[in-house]
Amino acid sequence: KAGVTQTPRYLIKTRGQQVTLSCSPISGHRSVSWYQQTPGQGLQFLFEYFSETQRNKGNFPGRFSGRQFSNSRSEMNVSTLELGDSALYLCASSPTTGGEQPQHFGDGTRLSIL
Amino acid sequence: DQQVKQNSPSLSVQEGRISILNCDYTNSMFDYFLWYKKYPAEGPTFLISISSIKDKNEDGRFTVFLNKSAKHLSLHIVPSQPGDSAVYFCAARDNYGQNFVFGPGTRLSVLP
Repeated sequence: KAGVTQTPRYLIKTRGQQVTLSCSPISGHRSVSWYQQTPGQGLQFLFEYFSETQRNKGNFPGRFSGRQFSNSRSEMNVSTLELGDSALYLCASSPTTGGEQPQHFGDGTRLSIL
Repeated sequence: DQQVKQNSPSLSVQEGRISILNCDYTNSMFDYFLWYKKYPAEGPTFLISISSIKDKNEDGRFTVFLNKSAKHLSLHIVPSQPGDSAVYFCAARDNYGQNFVFGPGTRLSVLP
């Protein structure tokens, strides 16, 4: 069974640009969550999508947005990039939302802002 | 306000000995806890979980203990192996199915 796939693996952008990251969940998984990981901050929750609807949102500015398609694939967009947006962005999927089930993570997209 | 805390940024243990990683939380509504392991350049991998109705869950070399009154959980790895060297994250979720809250992680080094 293929795992969670994130593309691209690495990305370099400059301040002010925008970026779109992609996540393909495990087949059959309908919930997709996004996290930002920076040194010393652990994983910070961005948002969760389930059945094409945003279910939860973390404490991030509106420059961070996402969407989910009917095939459960998800994209995350960051506009007007800032230096502080440099981080590892992780996507995680699970069969449904809530309940006692772990999330399965992809290997992340490393975003560097110059 | 950090709801899930891992107060030890790093831990070194000799191969074959026990590794004990600790996690404290402040939100009494959390009722599902998980441990993840993360190697460099890879995403976190699920290790083991525990529901708040239990105080212990065991899976092979990994055992998680939950002390609800102290709002504390710990992960025991016995015996520790060099391949266990990684960053370990504790995570928690409340019974309303809100998002997972992760701790900052503890870097475990198992020395041969």
